[in-house]
Amino acid sequence: TQLLEQSPQFLSIQEGENLTVYCNSSSVFSSLQWYRQEPGEGPVLLVTVVTGGEVKKLKRLTFQFGDARKDSSLHITAAQPGDTGLYLCGGNYGQNFVFGPGTRLSVLP
Amino acid sequence: NAGVTQTPKFQVLKTGQSMTLQCAQDMNHEYMSWYRQDPGMGLRLIHYSVGAGITDQGEVPNGYNVSRSTTEDFPLRLLSAAPSQTSVYFCASRPGLPGGELFFGEGSRLTVL
Repeated sequence: TQLLEQSPQFLSIQEGENLTVYCNSSSVFSSLQWYRQEPGEGPVLLVTVVTGGEVKKLKRLTFQFGDARKDSSLHITAAQPGDTGLYLCGGNYGQNFVFGPGTRLSVLP
Repeated sequence: NAGVTQTPKFQVLKTGQSMTLQCAQDMNHEYMSWYRQDPGMGLRLIHYSVGAGITDQGEVPNGYNVSRSTTEDFPLRLLSAAPSQTSVYFCASRPGLPGGELFFGEGSRLTVL
């Protein structure tokens, strides 16, 4: 059982559609981070959310941290093929930084 | 801008062989870590270090050793490789404070036959 769960595991959509992916835990996190990973590369940080209820926007990406700081969501508006990749959420658990299993997104032109 | 550099990028080993994955960072980061990535499992923490001379175990440390003699380098050693260690390995670093951005290398793909 992983500390962070992500859903869906896979998502394939057409260009221009909207989507939401989720990151959930039974534990409280002081902050959560979202990373995107492209094939053959390491993950790259998209955003850090710190405050319960916080909403952050990064162009067409909207990130939300749950009020109880146990969950987060990533919403993409008008997805583009360049959004294709593996989206990972992660957070500090004690001295460890742990990740969820990821959502693999494919945006078809 | 080198950032985090991992070598080698690809390696094939036979069961029982030993090898070292190298990781170096030029950002003067105190914290360094090793993850392995397997399909459907995300990134799992193997070992980490909060500074030179200090290392600790992560979620899946068995079969791996690390050392941190300098701030820049954090090698990962497999003493006797097993097929279960076939994976993609990532080194990551960040400044000392928790919650900061993790900077990753490009990964090392290891196959153990």
